[in-house]
Amino acid sequence: DADVTQTPRNRITKTGKRIMLECSQTKGHDRMYWYRQDPGLGLRLIYYSFDVKDINKGEISDGYSVSRQAQAKFSLSLESAIPNQTALYFCATSAARGDTEAFFGQGTRLTVV
Amino acid sequence: GQSLEQPSEVTAVEGAIVQINCTYQTSGFYGLSWYQQHDGGAPTFLSYNALDGLEETGRFSSFLSRSDSYGYLLLQELQMKDSASYFCAVIKAAGNKLTFGGGTRVLVKP
Repeated sequence: DADVTQTPRNRITKTGKRIMLECSQTKGHDRMYWYRQDPGLGLRLIYYSFDVKDINKGEISDGYSVSRQAQAKFSLSLESAIPNQTALYFCATSAARGDTEAFFGQGTRLTVV
Repeated sequence: GQSLEQPSEVTAVEGAIVQINCTYQTSGFYGLSWYQQHDGGAPTFLSYNALDGLEETGRFSSFLSRSDSYGYLLLQELQMKDSASYFCAVIKAAGNKLTFGGGTRVLVKP
């Protein structure tokens, strides 16, 4: 089983719909991240969390919200999806402050039509 | 915009050596990391430089010079399976965010 699991792996949704992407991890890490990947733009940070009570905005948080339900679970929501949110979304975890080895899920390919 | 700059694409032949540069305009970070991502896959960790100098891991080496705000990943004895995108990344001390460069796509030709 993967250490970092994202569901769903693929999703097509309509403009204006609410959608939630889920991430769970078995690594016991405190730090979790949500990234968005678009061609030519690399990985851009949406939100990150250092523990259940500590959630922070990243570079591109507008239009997104998150929930850290437990140490192992970090969900990303698009309250009202729009076509330019079509992208590949990755969840990642890392162990400790200053630890730059992050572990990624397999990604969720989201298409908003 | 990105505070970590990388070339967008590099092409080389099997057996060659490729150097992927990463220049940055940020200070106060813990170190420079490199990740590999094959098409359709997730990024995977390759290496980390906490201190200035060269770190070698098999065919891959990574280098950091904080005084020059510069690092690189060196891929030696290129193989077809090395065709992938490579990202440099830092954790900034301010906010403790893991931040990535735009990535370099490496295409290895026979």
